[in-house]
Amino acid sequence: GAVVSQHPSRVICKSGTSVKIECRSLDFQATTMFWYRQFPKQSLMLMATSNEGSKATYEQGVEKDKFLINHASLTLSTLTVTSAHPEDSSFYICSARDVGGTYNEQFFGPGTRLTVL
Amino acid sequence: RKEVEQDPGPFNVPEGATVAFNCTYSNSASQSFFWYRQDCRKEPKLLMSVYSSGNEDGRFTAQLNRASQYISLLIRDSKLSDSATYLCVVNWGTNAGKSTFGDGTTLTVKP
Repeated sequence: GAVVSQHPSRVICKSGTSVKIECRSLDFQATTMFWYRQFPKQSLMLMATSNEGSKATYEQGVEKDKFLINHASLTLSTLTVTSAHPEDSSFYICSARDVGGTYNEQFFGPGTRLTVL
Repeated sequence: RKEVEQDPGPFNVPEGATVAFNCTYSNSASQSFFWYRQDCRKEPKLLMSVYSSGNEDGRFTAQLNRASQYISLLIRDSKLSDSATYLCVVNWGTNAGKSTFGDGTTLTVKP
């Protein structure tokens, strides 16, 4: 399947700092990328849909000013957690959909484990 | 009612057993269906897409029943390495449509 990378894989930061996570599709173009969050022993929760060249669409309850998303190219989307707090500690996973794909499969990045102290 | 519902599990089976997971979805306009597996503390990985005619990949068989809005995954001859959480995923809309994930069913295969 298609390959999606995420960077960094793990980050530990102090409360109040901002953290930027990158999501790249390595061998395909993705007009749409998705950002998920997963707390321990819970299911994936969609945070926002990132559209190349336009504003992201946020799910209900997700603060767009806190979770800044930029999708500047067909292979890169970034999520910035601004003024992070301990309750933001979670596993953040991005996924991308191959525009050339037939069945709308999503391919996931390896995730970023964020710990806010 | 959740948009995608899965068997709550967990399923604990011996090696070699056959196990089946079920998933129902509420949106009749759903277009694409998938099974993903997720290992502990890892990202979900696509296991297989689910086609209307049903499809098989080795020990894994997926079925779709649009009339009943029901998807299934059958695993034959379970291996220890099959232990994971299996996620049912439903997509509707255009290529830009978002997917909805079930909560997952946990499978543990024991020696």
